Amino acid sequence: KAGVTQTPRYLIKTRGQQVTLSCSPISGHRSVSWYQQTPGQGLQFLFEYFSETQRNKGNFPGRFSGRQFSNSRSEMNVSTLELGDSALYLCASSMQGVAGYTFGSGTRLTVV
Amino acid sequence: EDQVTQSPEALRLQEGESSSLNCSYTVSGLRGLFWYRQDPGKGPEFLFTLYSAGEEKEKERLKATLTKKESFLHITAPKPEDSATYLCAVQARGFGNEKLTFGTGTRLTIIP
Repeated sequence: KAGVTQTPRYLIKTRGQQVTLSCSPISGHRSVSWYQQTPGQGLQFLFEYFSETQRNKGNFPGRFSGRQFSNSRSEMNVSTLELGDSALYLCASSMQGVAGYTFGSGTRLTVV
Repeated sequence: EDQVTQSPEALRLQEGESSSLNCSYTVSGLRGLFWYRQDPGKGPEFLFTLYSAGEEKEKERLKATLTKKESFLHITAPKPEDSATYLCAVQARGFGNEKLTFGTGTRLTIIP
């Protein structure tokens, strides 16, 4: 059974650029959540999508956005990158109504 | 606002030396408390979900317990391969709420 797949694994971007990260959930999982992990703040919730709708949103600026497609795959976008956006971005998927979240290996974003 | 505090931040044990990790939480109605293990450069790996005070779950050398205010992860006779960061997270009740609030983790090192 395939796990949660995130691409790319590593990214280096320049301040001011934008970036798109991709997440393919476990087959049958319709809920996809995104988290930012930094050494200082730990894991912080960005947003969650279910059936192409954003249901939950964390306390991040509008530069952070996402979407979900009909096949449950999700993307997140960060515009006008800042140095502080350097982090490990993690995606997690779950089956509606069943607690338990499976995480991908993450995308390591470095902003220079 | 939901909060999770983990202690200690770091713990070094000799192989075979048992100990416990603490997770204190405040949440507006607990739906579930989760324990994850995270190895460097990887996403969190699911260990346990606890739903109500008094519940206990075990897996190999790990045992998780839950009270109304805290959870403990007991590690019995640990081996070097148990070295990792252990993360605790809570999920609040609420229709469609899929947000996990994480603690900053306990970095566990088992010395051979």
